[in-house]
Amino acid sequence: GQNIDQPTEMTATEGAIVQINCTYQTSGFNGLFWYQQHAGEAPTFLSYNVLDGLEEKGRFSSFLSRSKGYSYLLLKELQMKDSASYLCAAVDSNYQLIWGAGTKLIIKP
Amino acid sequence: DTAVSQTPKYLVTQMGNDKSIKCEQNLGHDTMYWYKQDSKKFLKIMFSYNNKELIINETVPNRFSPKSPDKAHLNLHINSLELGDSAVYFCASSPNKDLTYEQFFGPGTRLTVL
Repeated sequence: GQNIDQPTEMTATEGAIVQINCTYQTSGFNGLFWYQQHAGEAPTFLSYNVLDGLEEKGRFSSFLSRSKGYSYLLLKELQMKDSASYLCAAVDSNYQLIWGAGTKLIIKP
Repeated sequence: DTAVSQTPKYLVTQMGNDKSIKCEQNLGHDTMYWYKQDSKKFLKIMFSYNNKELIINETVPNRFSPKSPDKAHLNLHINSLELGDSAVYFCASSPNKDLTYEQFFGPGTRLTVL
């Protein structure tokens, strides 16, 4: 079956760096998305990776290794507003999104 | 200039009732989706339409019926509501069905069945 694994919850300190990992098993692969979802709000797009390597976008970076079925989201210079859930989603061979359950990130002062 | 809008934002109703949620996108996208997010925050795809044509129909009770009058609208009608239908329902759209671009989500409709 198809599956996305990511940690349920992580805690980090304001100003620090945190890495949220995601492993996926899908029938075929056509890219991986990261979304941010604040409590009570809709998910919003953060990044899309389809080739191996690191994509940097301001304080957020996303990495993909297709051979390992692995991605991570790196958040630098953490701010209190980064407290949210981070959802990993992979696109399978039928161009359907397989969603992870999300990682709740708690930022402490 | 709202991109994806849903109405209502909150819906509280009794078991057995029938209700509808409306969704509209003004982005000119071809593809629209309905998701259910339960209390465990897991996003589950329910339906997807591409240019008014149903392309994804996951294992969802047939009490749920989507309708797409045009490619900018995708409504969800739910018959005989049950307690387990309580969740947040998100509408989303994307430029095409190939998911090479991000999805844009509506603000969600929080459905509570009493």
